[in-house]
Amino acid sequence: NAGVTQTPKFRVLKTGQSMTLLCAQDMNHEYMYWYRQDPGMGLRLIHYSVGEGTTAKGEVPDGYNVSRLKKQNFLLGLESAAPSQTSVYFCASSYSVAGQRKTQYFGPGTRLLVL
Amino acid sequence: GQQLNQSPQSMFIQEGEDVSMNCTSSSIFNTWLWYKQEPGEGPVLLIALYKAGELTSNGRLTAQFGITRKDSFLNISASIPSDVGIYFCAGQAGGTSYGKLTFGQGTILTVHP
Repeated sequence: NAGVTQTPKFRVLKTGQSMTLLCAQDMNHEYMYWYRQDPGMGLRLIHYSVGEGTTAKGEVPDGYNVSRLKKQNFLLGLESAAPSQTSVYFCASSYSVAGQRKTQYFGPGTRLLVL
Repeated sequence: GQQLNQSPQSMFIQEGEDVSMNCTSSSIFNTWLWYKQEPGEGPVLLIALYKAGELTSNGRLTAQFGITRKDSFLNISASIPSDVGIYFCAGQAGGTSYGKLTFGQGTILTVHP
């Protein structure tokens, strides 16, 4: 199993450009999450999905959109990148066992720089 | 939203020393998790705690789920250079939280040989 993978690993954007970050998991997990990590602030939840075709907002959703067309993939989109979106983005997935113990497994991260 | 306060923010210790860090929350959690992140990598789960009062070990690491369900502690005994990294606590509410995690700010651990 590859676990959780993220593409690309690193990207530089100009303000106003758009891009999509791809997260893929091969563990058949129901739940998937997108976080951003900024210095001194830990990880903050952007959006999440509880199943194929469903998405929901997290703590810091503004400026991002997501889609979960396939169970194994969770896409994070930036329609018009801003310097404030410079960050490291992590995807995670987890399973559901009778509503308990949803341990999350993280991908290696995507480093995004917006100039 | 919910806030987790993790302390200390950073630690500089000598190899062989023990380390303690903790997290406190303004809200109750049903699950406490401790992750370690190394440079250029994603967080990796170290210990998961599911019941108030639970004490769980993973090698030299020991973590406890506070009785009030609003705090958790992580101890590392006899530290070694490979313990270097950022340690995060994370809390998970129950019910319809869908497994969402709230993270602490992280503790940066440096171990001098």
